[in-house]
Amino acid sequence: ETGVTQTPRHLVMGMTNKKSLKCEQHLGHNAMYWYKQSAKKPLELMFVYNFKEQTENNSVPSRFSPECPNSSHLFLHLHTLQPEDSALYLCASSQERGSSYEQYFGPGTRLTVT
Amino acid sequence: GQNIDQPTEMTATEGAIVQINCTYQTSGFNGLFWYQQHAGEAPTFLSYNVLDGLEEKGRFSSFLSRSKGYSYLLLKELQMKDSASYLCAVMDSNYQLIWGAGTKLIIKP
Repeated sequence: ETGVTQTPRHLVMGMTNKKSLKCEQHLGHNAMYWYKQSAKKPLELMFVYNFKEQTENNSVPSRFSPECPNSSHLFLHLHTLQPEDSALYLCASSQERGSSYEQYFGPGTRLTVT
Repeated sequence: GQNIDQPTEMTATEGAIVQINCTYQTSGFNGLFWYQQHAGEAPTFLSYNVLDGLEEKGRFSSFLSRSKGYSYLLLKELQMKDSASYLCAVMDSNYQLIWGAGTKLIIKP
């Protein structure tokens, strides 16, 4: 398998549930990103990891918790979410943070919070 | 604040040419990207401009004017498969990508 993969592709969860989103990249990149995409809004950068170190947390609520065990894998742990958190969550990777290399995106996880 | 503006939606005819504009105001500039995103799919990279001028890549071209804070994506010989959203993004002085909300392009036969 090549590129950036994400699982699950679709997720429906209640506000009291705990779930995790998984991202894996097979490109040998050193930077990985979580984005939130809501309808008709710009992509919102949530977290950035560079060489497994978190370099950015853009004022994301603590109900979202990222984890990067190695440079190929990225997780987003979810707990006690709100209905407004329903969105498409995209993972991306690039050669490294702090460069002009393009980002490669996974297909996303469509999250619905009920 | 930082801001990227692009039209919300455009319609064009198969075989024609369409130009999608993007204007930006950012803290510094380290390049401008265009991505294509089909409905329900991941954004895919189209082009990168860091110097003024036109970059041509097959049917797609991208133009940049840094002094005007302006770029456009030009699509020629439109095909039905070009129906998608086109995202403009600028890399600021902290190498963070600032994204526009995207332009939904509808191609009609």
